[in-house]
Order: sequence, then structure tokens, then C-alpha cells
Amino acid sequence: SQQGEEDPQALSIQEGENATMNCSYKTSINNLQWYRQNSGRGLVHLILIRSNEREKHSGRLRVTLDTSKKSSSLLITASRAADTASYFCATDEGSTLTFGKGTMLLVSP
Amino acid sequence: EAGVAQSPRYKIIEKRQSVAFWCNPISGHATLYWYQQILGQGPKLLIQFQNNGVVDDSQLPKDRFSAERLKGVDSTLKIQPAKLEDSAVYLCASSPYGGPQETQYFGPGTRLLVL
Repeated sequence: SQQGEEDPQALSIQEGENATMNCSYKTSINNLQWYRQNSGRGLVHLILIRSNEREKHSGRLRVTLDTSKKSSSLLITASRAADTASYFCATDEGSTLTFGKGTMLLVSP
Repeated sequence: EAGVAQSPRYKIIEKRQSVAFWCNPISGHATLYWYQQILGQGPKLLIQFQNNGVVDDSQLPKDRFSAERLKGVDSTLKIQPAKLEDSAVYLCASSPYGGPQETQYFGPGTRLLVL
């Protein structure tokens, strides 16, 4: 089953611009995680936000969570070519994680 | 710290053949996961082990897929017989204790093509 749905499916920006991608989910959650996947480093954990948190920062990443709307957003500021990757949100469903289909981000120099 | 190791990295087989994938998790991690990732989709959990016991295998197609983690360390995932729709990347991940609040550490994956 799929819990999270990322939007947009694909995003193309220039270096230095900000990138925002969204995740919507269906059932109540305890945590939401964001992962990045590229060909060089595989699937890597970026950040976790708990259901009682509204915003979290990690370097150039900013994640927000709105449990009333069942949605989360990931903002990457001052993007770099190295940020080119697919980004997935993952929600807890029982004892396991359920990943969305992902947003493909292309950052052009 | 060594990461999650998987082999082989690539495998091409014909339908109805058998294939096996191997995973060695991060040392000391109790929980091991196998995911299937079809092109254009996110990873889908196939099976989760806690030490050498199965926590969740509800999405494992048990008529053709099997997995084991006999000594609570490394694990193998087998497909027998393979179908065309099994073409995907098979990802192994591990985490220290288990539970969806933990970070999962992923291996590089095995890319399977079934012809």
C-alpha cells in the first residue's frame, strides 16, 4: 500500500534557486521521514519530523508538517547540481515505513 | 563504519529461472529490511527481520519469494521462478533496533532484469 504521495512528480530548476516538494498522506502518523536517492549514493535518510513538530531544519533543508492537512513539505534552499536526485517521503504505517513515488529534482548549473 | 553491503549489483535472468540476492547489514543492527523498487516508484517493503525472526512479510509474494536471516546477521532473498514483473531494484536496509521512527540505512541495491 502507498501512504505518501509526492508532488510535483518532477521539478527542474537552476543552481541557486530554491526547490519545494510536497508530500500528502492518508492516515494518521507518528513520524514522517524524507529520503534522497541518486545513482551515486543510493537511498539516504535526510530528516525525520515527528507528529508533534511543525518545522525542522537541517543545513539547507527545511521540513514542515501539517497534520491537520496530512501534508509535509521539503524545501531545499540555494540548490546545487549535487542536489539532483529523487526525493521520497516515508510515513510510518504500523511498524513499517511506507514510501511515496517520489519527486525527481533536476538542478542545472 | 562499513555500510550495508549487497551482491550482486546487477543480474540478468530469463523468466522462470531462479535468482538469489545477498545482504550484509551494518554491524550490530538488529533489524534488516528487503525492499522492491520498480522503476518510477518508491521502495516497497517485502520483508522485515528483527534479529532472525520475521516481523512483517505481508507484502512478500510467498509463492515465489523467500527470505532468510538464519544467524541474525546477513540475509538472502530468493525468487523462484522469476516473472517479467519482478524486474526491479532490490534494496536491503538495516536499522539498530527496528521501528518506523528510526533511520534506515540502505545498501546500493541489486538491479534485476528478467527477460
